[in-house]
Amino acid sequence: SAVISQKPSRDICQRGTSLTIQCQVDSQVTMMFWYRQQPGQSLTLIATANQGSEATYESGFVIDKFPISRPNLTFSTLTVSNMSPEDSSIYLCSCSGGLSYEQYFGPGTRLTVT
Amino acid sequence: QQQVKQSPQSLIVQKGGISIINCAYENTAFDYFPWYQQFPGKGPALLIAIRPDVSEKKEGRFTISFNKSAKQFSLHIMDSQPGDSATYFCAAPYNQGGKLIFGQGTELSVKP
Repeated sequence: SAVISQKPSRDICQRGTSLTIQCQVDSQVTMMFWYRQQPGQSLTLIATANQGSEATYESGFVIDKFPISRPNLTFSTLTVSNMSPEDSSIYLCSCSGGLSYEQYFGPGTRLTVT
Repeated sequence: QQQVKQSPQSLIVQKGGISIINCAYENTAFDYFPWYQQFPGKGPALLIAIRPDVSEKKEGRFTISFNKSAKQFSLHIMDSQPGDSATYFCAAPYNQGGKLIFGQGTELSVKP
């Protein structure tokens, strides 16, 4: 298993601004994922971030809105750009070893856009 | 797009009872079916998972049953406790890239 931390744990942001969420893993991992979870809802995958390559985005999510960095095997960031109230959600990162589908999640970042 | 259908949406069980949550999938890239447990304000935690070589896996009070021909799998929680009250998500792989697609979630409440 892996232990994941996220910063910030929560934030309140104004419309039109950007927020960068950091995800740190306690060991080197092949794959990292970013999800969005509306309160009381399921998890929706935003993108997959592999070290050394461009992030792969799911349908409905674009790089201009959610740029992702993966500078090494233990760290990734997700930026939520030009925020609107519709971006208010919980953002979760997860990781896996690549050869298995086991994913381990961070505690999440609760974002509120006013 | 591939879906994983989870039921029921909510479940109330008396302490000591059996909680049963079901999931059905369409197609999967690999036979690996995990269940996650999520408490309010926390990230999902991997609870138990089953791989293709067995039809059932038990860990303590938690059991996964897997029916490949029916494309269904279920979570059984024996002797349910109030501390088990949480939201449970099933998931299935949907491509070769390690991605998981999640069910809609089941909010379990275990009454004392």
